[in-house]
Amino acid sequence: DIQMTQSPSTLSASVGDRVTITCRASQSISSWLAWYQQKPGKAPKLLIYKASSLESGVPSRFSGSGSGTEFTLTISSLQPDDFATYYCQQYNSYGTFGPGTKVDIK
Amino acid sequence: QVQLQESGPGLVKPSETLSLTCTVSGGSISSYYWSWIRQPAGKGLEWIGRIYTSGSTNYNPSLKSRVTMSVDTSKNQFSLKLSSVTAADTAVYYCARAPVVAAPYWYFDLWGRGTLVTVSS
Repeated sequence: DIQMTQSPSTLSASVGDRVTITCRASQSISSWLAWYQQKPGKAPKLLIYKASSLESGVPSRFSGSGSGTEFTLTISSLQPDDFATYYCQQYNSYGTFGPGTKVDIK
Repeated sequence: QVQLQESGPGLVKPSETLSLTCTVSGGSISSYYWSWIRQPAGKGLEWIGRIYTSGSTNYNPSLKSRVTMSVDTSKNQFSLKLSSVTAADTAVYYCARAPVVAAPYWYFDLWGRGTLVTVSS
């Protein structure tokens, strides 16, 4: 089984900050990684697929990078709507999600 | 636009079978993979399984012995059955769409709103 980890588990930031979240896989998953945003009581929303491809309609302040075992999600300038929990998901072998990173207000 | 809606009992007794249906509206169920994903309260996401409109399925190995998925293209619906449930199966259950792309497995580009299923006597 491929295990996913994320760091940090919680991140406190202010509007306008540049935010980076890291996701690591227990073995190489090439670029088969997606990122989701989830707000309380809502379903996850796809942001990024294939490590760096921006889903249609997602603001360009979101970007993804990485390959192999280490990946990052970057929000270039945090907006009020971005306070949420972010999950990575590998789809190289079935589909395993990371434990999540909560971005809250500093 | 395409929307997904989960339906089914919100309370299931231990050892019984959980049954949920996802209705796809605003578009065809054809040409996509369809999945179930669950999330216990305050916890992370767990992929349960996926079905194609042909009826072919893949299940999470950790749940495979208890999961059955089916599809009814005439009703634009797909379903989940999870047998022998315990309190550990209490979660919000989401149905989700996965695009058919050149990849080993699937990511999910459209989700239902989710439905809470509680396992309790």
